[in-house]
Amino acid sequence: QKEVEQNSGPLSVPEGAIASLNCTYSDRVSQSFFWYRQYSGKSPELIMSIYSNGDKEDGRFTAQLNKASQYVSLLIRDSQPSDSATYLCAVKSGGSYIPTFGRGTSLIVHP
Amino acid sequence: GAVVSQHPSRVICKSGTSVKIECRSLDFQATTMFWYRQFPKKSLMLMATSNEGSKATYEQGVEKDKFLINHASLTLSTLTVTSAHPEDSSFYICSARLGGDTDTQYFGPGTRLTVL
Repeated sequence: QKEVEQNSGPLSVPEGAIASLNCTYSDRVSQSFFWYRQYSGKSPELIMSIYSNGDKEDGRFTAQLNKASQYVSLLIRDSQPSDSATYLCAVKSGGSYIPTFGRGTSLIVHP
Repeated sequence: GAVVSQHPSRVICKSGTSVKIECRSLDFQATTMFWYRQFPKKSLMLMATSNEGSKATYEQGVEKDKFLINHASLTLSTLTVTSAHPEDSSFYICSARLGGDTDTQYFGPGTRLTVL
């Protein structure tokens, strides 16, 4: 069974700090990796996708993928209170179009 | 681009009635749409995968006669909760698959169902 693991948190960081969110997955043939942000009472919103090893940067967000170690992370630089949300990691194998979601990590950015 | 709408955003109904929720991909064609439900402070739970022109594939434990799914076109899927009961109260979220190289899911805004 494919598993995607995330620490449920909450992860609490001060405003302006770097928030680091981690995700590990069990399926070695996973090929596509996604980070979604979900505010309380709202639906998930796609933040980043990453497909190859290394870093991918988009504004204040950086996704990092290490397939050998089977983990993907999301760094948020200069964290703002508006970044406070639950961050969902999703992983998809090449042979499937259905991603597996982690349970999410709650992030709290305090002023 | 890649906008998914859902209607209604919120519905309150009496026990025993049926409720239909629509999911539309507004600016792309989605051969596959997904239906999730989410209870407060809980994770997403995939209910079913909806493919245009064919029967939906339901996850284990999801009653197909209870949750009717129709994917009549490449931009529209509907979920009907039949004979709703208070335990069906939840946040229902659809997503649409944008294929191609990225093969990414985009979520609708969700429908909050309250059954009295």
